[in-house]
Amino acid sequence: EVQLVQSGAEVKKPGESLKISCKGSGYSFTTYWIGWVRQMPGKGLEWMGIIYPGDSDTRYSPSFQGQVTISADKSISTAYLQWSSLKASDTAMYYCARRDSTSWHFAYWGQGTLVTVSS
Amino acid sequence: DIQLTQSPSFLSASVGDRVTITCRASQGISSYLAWYQQKPGKAPNLLIYGASTLQSGVPSRFSGSGSGTEFTLTISSLQPEDSATYYCQQLHSYPLTFGGGTKVEIK
Repeated sequence: EVQLVQSGAEVKKPGESLKISCKGSGYSFTTYWIGWVRQMPGKGLEWMGIIYPGDSDTRYSPSFQGQVTISADKSISTAYLQWSSLKASDTAMYYCARRDSTSWHFAYWGQGTLVTVSS
Repeated sequence: DIQLTQSPSFLSASVGDRVTITCRASQGISSYLAWYQQKPGKAPNLLIYGASTLQSGVPSRFSGSGSGTEFTLTISSLQPEDSATYYCQQLHSYPLTFGGGTKVEIK
C-alpha cells in the first residue's frame, strides 16, 4: 500500500528555521516525483514545487522560488520542505503528494503538516 | 504560468441535482487536467485525471470532460457526502497550478 506520512505539527517564531518531512512507503521512492502544496487558512491549494528523488531534480513555482528549499534523502525514502527564516505568512497546512508516472496527476497525498508561525 | 479559472466559486444545490463546475485554462493544456475533492481538515482526494478518467474507487456519479482550454466536472446526482470544495489542476507544464476552488453546499 502506497503511503506518504508527514511529520507532525510545528509552532515556530518568526525568523526561525524549519524542515518538515514526508516519508514514502509501499513503492519505489526514487522513481516517482514528490510535490509540495500549501494551503493557507481558509484558502485554496497552491503548488509550491516538486522533486524527483532519483536524481534530486527539483522544480519550483516562481511564487516559492528562493523562499523554500525542497530536498530528498532517498536512503530513507523521505522528502523535505524547509525554510531558513520563517514569516508569519508561512502559517499554513503543507501537503506532500506523489505524482503518477504516466498521467502525471497526484493520487497519493500525505496527511498534511500544520505550520504555525507566531511571536 | 498557466492560469486556471474555476466557476462558480460557490454553489448550493439539492440532493439529486445535477451539478456542473467549469475550469478554464489560460492556454491549451490538452487533457492534462485533474479534479480533486477536499473536505474540511482533510487532504485533497483525486476524482478525475486525464480530464475524463475516473479514479479507481470514485463513485460513477462523478464525470469529467473537455480538452484544450475548457473543462467540466459533473456530479450527476448530488449526494450529501459530496459537500466539499473541488479544485482543478493542470499537469501540462510547470508550475502545476490549481484553480481557485468551488465550494459545493447541500441545500
